[in-house]
Amino acid sequence: DAGVIQSPRHEVTEMGQEVTLRCKPISGHDYLFWYRQTMMRGLELLIYFNNNVPIDDSGMPEDRFSAKMPNASFSTLKIQPSEPRDSAVYFCASSTRPHSNQPQHFGDGTRLSIL
Amino acid sequence: GENVEQHPSTLSVQEGDSAVIKCTYSDSASNYFPWYKQELGKRPQLIIDIRSNVGEKKDQRIAVTLNKTAKHFSLHITETQPEDSAVYFCGGGSYIPTFGRGTSLIVHP
Repeated sequence: DAGVIQSPRHEVTEMGQEVTLRCKPISGHDYLFWYRQTMMRGLELLIYFNNNVPIDDSGMPEDRFSAKMPNASFSTLKIQPSEPRDSAVYFCASSTRPHSNQPQHFGDGTRLSIL
Repeated sequence: GENVEQHPSTLSVQEGDSAVIKCTYSDSASNYFPWYKQELGKRPQLIIDIRSNVGEKKDQRIAVTLNKTAKHFSLHITETQPEDSAVYFCGGGSYIPTFGRGTSLIVHP
């Protein structure tokens, strides 16, 4: 199993630019999660999907952030326009049946730096 | 929603000592409590989890205890080794876990 695959691993861009982060969940996992990790706020859940449908996006900080899951094997998190305070590590995770207490499997993350 | 508090934020121990990390939660309906270890620059990885129908679970040098009445749970690491140095996150919830802020464990050789 290749695990959860995220790209890019690192992204450095100037403020105002559009940023797109990508995630491929583990095959067969029907839940996908996007997290943001910072020193100040820890690991925050931004949004999660079930069967490609967004279920809870209450953690998305503002309208500049959007996420999509066009199919079971791909999701994107987009920031437009980006700001320096968006600098963080963004993790994607996937799981099966969280209601049955199945653990989340995390990707390696994308380290995002907005200059 | 669930609120998970984790203490301490930093823990420094000598190799061979035990380490204990504590978490409290607010939602009495929470029934699943995972613990993740995150090494520097790496992904969080599940090291142990416990469900509300048990009070303790052990896996080699790692154990987790759960007190549902008091709504707290703890991670115990015995005979710590330098490779145990990492950030540890606790999680709690009844559906999607909420994570604590993390504990940076430093094991000095």
